[in-house]
Amino acid sequence: GAGVSQTPSNKVTEKGKYVELRCDPISGHTALYWYRQSLGQGPEFLIYFQGTGAADDSGLPNDRFFAVRPEGSVSTLKIQRTERGDSAVYLCASSSSGTSRYFGPGTRLTVL
Amino acid sequence: KNEVEQSPQNLTAQEGEFITINCSYSVGISALHWLQQHPGGGIVSLFMLSSGKKKHGRLIATINIQEKHSSLHITASHPRDSAVYICAVDKLIFGTGTRLQVFP
Repeated sequence: GAGVSQTPSNKVTEKGKYVELRCDPISGHTALYWYRQSLGQGPEFLIYFQGTGAADDSGLPNDRFFAVRPEGSVSTLKIQRTERGDSAVYLCASSSSGTSRYFGPGTRLTVL
Repeated sequence: KNEVEQSPQNLTAQEGEFITINCSYSVGISALHWLQQHPGGGIVSLFMLSSGKKKHGRLIATINIQEKHSSLHITASHPRDSAVYICAVDKLIFGTGTRLQVFP
């Protein structure tokens, strides 16, 4: 596709459930980033992939959060035992070496 | 103290005014990004800078690596420029954003 896409656009779940959020980066972009943005706040870094490997996962808040990018393209952010505090917009971005970051539209996660 | 600080936090302008948003950072960087986020909208990358100055339409971004400072300028501002402008530096550290409102 022409840009970064994310699915679903909205996800409502109950506390304690497991969710998966998907990011399709721009074709050929080797770098992929996940961010989280709470209402009224700026984006917060979660994890960065270079190819298939997580180059930096220091932003993941705890071990309930995990992300994969098995073939170096699509990435999935997985959240176990969701908590109300996980409610946020989860943003994905991709870039090629030395280029600007292109952001997806985000997935709005609401944990009830 | 945040590693990336922006000023002002909020800015109101009349249509046509020249606008400057500032970003100061305290970490070593390879590049600095200016991003735009409209209310309820996604994030758009405006510029990626590692030195000097870049211009795109009415937008100009400058960076002074020695002073660890960058500015985003908007000439002839328009109501459609109303958005949150975010400065972000590698490694993936975001400023708190500047909320700009331009009134006709």
